[in-house]
Amino acid sequence: QKEVEQNSGPLSVPEGAIASLNCTYSDRVSQSFFWYRQYSGKSPELIMSIYSNGDKEDGRFTAQLNKASQYVSLLIRDSQPSDSATYLCAVPNSGGSNYKLTFGKGTLLTVNP
Amino acid sequence: EAQVTQNPRYLITVTGKKLTVTCSQNMNHEYMSWYRQDPGLGLRQIYYSMNVEVTDKGDVPEGYKVSRKEKRNFPLILESPSPNQTSLYFCASSRSAVNEQFFGPGTRLTVL
Repeated sequence: QKEVEQNSGPLSVPEGAIASLNCTYSDRVSQSFFWYRQYSGKSPELIMSIYSNGDKEDGRFTAQLNKASQYVSLLIRDSQPSDSATYLCAVPNSGGSNYKLTFGKGTLLTVNP
Repeated sequence: EAQVTQNPRYLITVTGKKLTVTCSQNMNHEYMSWYRQDPGLGLRQIYYSMNVEVTDKGDVPEGYKVSRKEKRNFPLILESPSPNQTSLYFCASSRSAVNEQFFGPGTRLTVL
């Protein structure tokens, strides 16, 4: 069973701080990695995709990937109360006849004004 | 607008009454998938489809059926719903199994 593990949280940061969210995965051959944001009762929304080792920046979001350590992280700079949500790490898996996107259980982030 | 749509958004039904949740995407995606989300259990895949007429079981397929007769549509069928199928259901689509998935708005189902 391919696994994706996230810090369960909850993570609480003050407004303006950097929020750091972490994810480890077990499938060594994974080539793509995704971060989703999910507000309570809403559907997951893709916020970052990363495919290569290193950092990828998009506005206040930075995704970091280290394939050797099987680790991917998401940094949110200048955190805002509107960033309060659950963040899901997702990794595609393939093996045998099962092709799927495996999600971590998510980290609940609260940004305090 | 590129989107995944689901209907109905909310449904309350009774045990044993067959129901269908529709899912449609307008992005010409090959891959479609159904998930259920329950507190503490995260997103769990029910069924997926790699292409038209190609479907396969996910992690929690018991009690569900799907079909993929057209590329854009992937309905989820509960032949005889039970209370343990009360959940929030999401449909998603992507270009392929290894690409990012785009989610529909969700269907909140309650089975009494």
